[in-house]
Amino acid sequence: QQQVKQSPQSLIVQKGGISIINCAYENTAFDYFPWYQQFPGKGPALLIAIRPDVSEKKEGRFTISFNKSAKQFSLHIMDSQPGDSATYFCAALNTGNQFYFGTGTSLTVIP
Amino acid sequence: KAGVTQTPRYLIKTRGQQVTLSCSPISGHRSVSWYQQTPGQGLQFLFEYFSETQRNKGNFPGRFSGRQFSNSRSEMNVSTLELGDSALYLCASSLSPFTDTQYFGPGTRLTVL
Repeated sequence: QQQVKQSPQSLIVQKGGISIINCAYENTAFDYFPWYQQFPGKGPALLIAIRPDVSEKKEGRFTISFNKSAKQFSLHIMDSQPGDSATYFCAALNTGNQFYFGTGTSLTVIP
Repeated sequence: KAGVTQTPRYLIKTRGQQVTLSCSPISGHRSVSWYQQTPGQGLQFLFEYFSETQRNKGNFPGRFSGRQFSNSRSEMNVSTLELGDSALYLCASSLSPFTDTQYFGPGTRLTVL
C-alpha cells in the first residue's frame, strides 16, 4: 500500500518555466513533509521540508505548498534550470519516526 | 565532515547467495536507516537502528536483516537472494531517531543474476 502518492512520474519543462510536482497522503499521523532531490549515481539529498502548521515554505527557487485539509503537498520550482534535471521524491514522516516516500518524479529541463 | 559512506558500491550475485552491505554514518550520527530503491516501487523502508537496537522495520521478508555496531556503523544482510532483490540499497544517517533530517549515502547497486 502506497502511503504517499506522487505525480507525475515524469516531467519535461522548458528552461525558465515552472515545474510542479504533487503528492498526496492518507495518514493523518504524518507531521513532517520533506522533498528530496536525487541525481544519477547519488543518494537523495534533502531539498526543502515543511511541517503541517504552515501552508507554504519558500527557499530560493523552491516552494512547498501544503494543504492540510486535502492532505496534499506540492513542490514548485520557479525559473527551472537544466541543472535542476533530477529525480524528485516527496516523503512523509509519521509520529513513529518512520519515513514513507513517493515513487519519484523524473524532471528534465530543456535548455 | 565526511558524508555517509556505503560499501561496496556495486555488487553482482546469483540467486540463492547471500550478501552483506555496509554503511558508515556521518560522524556523531547514531541512527541509521536502510531503504531499497527500485524503479517501480521507489524508496521503501527496510529498517532503522539506533544504539545497536532495531527500532523500526518495514514490510520485508525475514531474509532481510541488519545490525548496528557500537560505533554506529551498520550492516544489512540479504540471504537466499532472489532476482527481485536487484535494487539500489540506500543507507541514511541522522543524529538520532528523533531528528527529522536524514542524510543519504550513494547506495550499493545490487544485481542478482
